[in-house]
Amino acid sequence: DAGITQSPRHKVTETGTPVTLRCHQTENHRYMYWYRQDPGHGLRLIHYSYGVKDTDKGEVSDGYSVSRSKTEDFLLTLESATSSQTSVYFCAISETGGGADQETQYFGPGTRLLVL
Amino acid sequence: GENVEQHPSTLSVQEGDSAVIKCTYSDSASNYFPWYKQELGKGPQLIIDIRSNVGEKKDQRIAVTLNKTAKHFSLHITETQPEDSAVYFCAENTGGGNKLTFGTGTQLKVEL
Repeated sequence: DAGITQSPRHKVTETGTPVTLRCHQTENHRYMYWYRQDPGHGLRLIHYSYGVKDTDKGEVSDGYSVSRSKTEDFLLTLESATSSQTSVYFCAISETGGGADQETQYFGPGTRLLVL
Repeated sequence: GENVEQHPSTLSVQEGDSAVIKCTYSDSASNYFPWYKQELGKGPQLIIDIRSNVGEKKDQRIAVTLNKTAKHFSLHITETQPEDSAVYFCAENTGGGNKLTFGTGTQLKVEL
């Protein structure tokens, strides 16, 4: 998984509780992304980061926040988890961000989150 | 907005046969089209990609074709093997930002 780890790998939590998922990379890549995967929807982008302390919203950002204080770590926080946030969350990284030379996104192993 | 339609949602083939998965996109500015394979319990892994300046790319048993005029691209797997069984996702990305929009996936089953 291209030097990407996610923690925890599985989590069960209750509605209304805060949850933080961590993505750690050893590739020193500039770009990091958080996706959620749900049946019938493929992968949808939640937030992404283009550098330390530089983040932007994706397609489904409501209810989520992110932080990136170091190149290697990208945190996804659910301030108050809801049942609709039950999903599998994937982190991805890429070396550069776009233009004529798109770079491959490499995905981590995923975190399975269940909100009861 | 960006939208990728992927068909079929499920595909069953006999070992040794070919498999074809098609995706259609709407944004004419899209310039990068990767294909990912996802095995059960794992993250997606890139298997092949194509950029808008070429029409076809091959890598052993896997090929991707791109028709920019019709705005569709296809994954072709020849001589399928049981280990090809997985979910396959197409994706596309408009220029800049590197934000991928994914198709909804195709469950490929290769039967013995």
